[in-house]
Amino acid sequence: DAGVTQSPTHLIKTRGQHVTLRCSPISGHKSVSWYQQVLGQGPQFIFQYYEKEERGRGNFPDRFSARQFPNYSSELNVNALLLGDSALYLCASSFVGGDIQYFGAGTRLSVL
Amino acid sequence: DQQVKQNSPSLSVQEGRISILNCDYTNSMFDYFLWYKKYPAEGPTFLISISSIKDKNEDGRFTVFLNKSAKHLSLHIVPSQPGDSAVYFCAASPTQGGSEKLVFGKGTKLTVNP
Repeated sequence: DAGVTQSPTHLIKTRGQHVTLRCSPISGHKSVSWYQQVLGQGPQFIFQYYEKEERGRGNFPDRFSARQFPNYSSELNVNALLLGDSALYLCASSFVGGDIQYFGAGTRLSVL
Repeated sequence: DQQVKQNSPSLSVQEGRISILNCDYTNSMFDYFLWYKKYPAEGPTFLISISSIKDKNEDGRFTVFLNKSAKHLSLHIVPSQPGDSAVYFCAASPTQGGSEKLVFGKGTKLTVNP
């Protein structure tokens, strides 16, 4: 069975640009969460979606947005990129909202 | 402010010995706790979890202990193996009975020497 898949693996952007990161959950999983991991820190919660509805949002500015599609895949969008947005962005899926979360390998975003 | 703290950035143990990784938390609303391990270039892998109504959970070589009064949990790995070398993250969930909106510590890098 395929695990959580994220694309792209790596991405380089410049300040002020926009980026879209994609996530496909484990087959059968209906909940997707996004986390940001800055170097030297643990992952930090950004969003959770369950059945296409936003279930939670972490302490991130409005430049960050996300959505979940009918097939339960998800996109994370970040507008007006800042240098500080450089991080590993992790997607996690679970069968239902409160179940154990399984992580993808992440997308490494570098903002120059 | 950090709600989940892993005060040891690194730990080195000999193969076959016990590894003990520690984690402290400050938010008494946390109800569910998890340990993940992470290899380079991979996402975190779920290891073991414990609900706040328990004080111990065991799965093979891995045991997690929870001391609610001290707001402290620990992960014991016995016996440690070189393949256990990874970064271990402690995580807590504020959702009663569930694993959502996880709050992570900074991680502890475990090195198991042959």
